[in-house]
Amino acid sequence: DTAVSQTPKYLVTQMGNDKSIKCEQNLGHDTMYWYKQDSKKFLKIMFSYNNKELIINETVPNRFSPKSPDKAHLNLHINSLELGDSAVYFCASSQTLAGSGYTFGSGTRLTVV
Amino acid sequence: ELKVEQNPLFLSMQEGKNYTIYCNYSTTSDRLYWYRQDPGKSLESLFVLLSNGAVKQEGRLMASLDTKARLSTLHITAAVHDLSATYFCAVDNSNSGYALNFGKGTSLLVTP
Repeated sequence: DTAVSQTPKYLVTQMGNDKSIKCEQNLGHDTMYWYKQDSKKFLKIMFSYNNKELIINETVPNRFSPKSPDKAHLNLHINSLELGDSAVYFCASSQTLAGSGYTFGSGTRLTVV
Repeated sequence: ELKVEQNPLFLSMQEGKNYTIYCNYSTTSDRLYWYRQDPGKSLESLFVLLSNGAVKQEGRLMASLDTKARLSTLHITAAVHDLSATYFCAVDNSNSGYALNFGKGTSLLVTP
């Protein structure tokens, strides 16, 4: 039983395309996140949703649009992909204020060619 | 903005030796986390430190937190090759919406 599952694991696509990454958690957590890990392994928060409400929207291009249909799902749609979007994208979830930590998905390696 | 600094960023050490990774953060934080990441893998939670003076140990790793100094340490005792990985510290607080702010990571290589 995977706690936080992301699909796809690998995504290779051409510049200009639109793609989506899906994330689901079965932990009953109330908050979900998208993080981006660049080629230097630096991890940065992109978005977070708490009970389907957008809480954090960091400075990312508006080509990136998160969508949370319910508190167990958080998807990431990317329009007009650029070479610089190549990275590993991690979904995560947590129970806010619980201090029990964050659980990460296995990551989606996006390569834009 | 909550900033997190780790050092060293790269560490090569011999098996059997001890070493400490340091993590400083810039503002009051509610909690501090240590994660391990193997190449091509996800982040594995190692420790969650919730209060000043907290110390947690798991095998050859021990983490501590000094909230007054805004410093956490990850101490490695008698390193073995299996500990080779990248280690991240991260903090969160209510001002950051409880999202994690990560350090740049410490790439650890343990050699025979």
